[in-house]
Amino acid sequence: DGGITQSPKYLFRKEGQNVTLSCEQNLNHDAMYWYRQDPGQGLRLIYYSQIVNDFQKGDIAEGYSVSREKKESFPLTVTSAQKNPTAFYLCASSMMTGRQPQHFGDGTRLSIL
Amino acid sequence: SQQGEEDPQALSIQEGENATMNCSYKTSINNLQWYRQNSGRGLVHLILIRSNEREKHSGRLRVTLDTSKKSSSLLITASRAADTASYFCATDEREYGNKLVFGAGTILRVKS
Repeated sequence: DGGITQSPKYLFRKEGQNVTLSCEQNLNHDAMYWYRQDPGQGLRLIYYSQIVNDFQKGDIAEGYSVSREKKESFPLTVTSAQKNPTAFYLCASSMMTGRQPQHFGDGTRLSIL
Repeated sequence: SQQGEEDPQALSIQEGENATMNCSYKTSINNLQWYRQNSGRGLVHLILIRSNEREKHSGRLRVTLDTSKKSSSLLITASRAADTASYFCATDEREYGNKLVFGAGTILRVKS
């Protein structure tokens, strides 16, 4: 079955540590997205990519970095510069850009030790 | 620029009743989408309505769009316990480029 796989489901970060969240899709979608969700809130866009080797900052990119070396993969690194990283992180993809319905993974919950 | 705002924030109904959720937005849109999120899971796309459409149906779901009032509503008829989830609207804002803007969501609880 086609879909989006995020791993790990739970992740813990120590102070000063960078962590990388994985996102893989086999839907042959061009566009991929990373969102952050805080309790009781909607989704905020961190980064998005419309094509391999290209990505754009979203609304809250500070303290995060991404790469898009393969069409199927869009990993997100939460750097030590992100002072409040505890949140639920969701990866999504779509056939083209934002006008198309997005397909989501089941998220990674990141907590601080 | 968070745009979609859902109302109410939370809704509790009995199984079999209808549930109505509303979404308001601020600027011109290409389309408006509704998503469902079960606790601890990703979002699932429910329905997309284009700016030139006024109403759309999908199974027990009915979505309306009023571009003059910049608002949309999602109606779930004959609700079931399995409909318990958070529901989000997302707008494709013309001035915001190729991205969706999500509201804060409505938490729906259907009691059996």
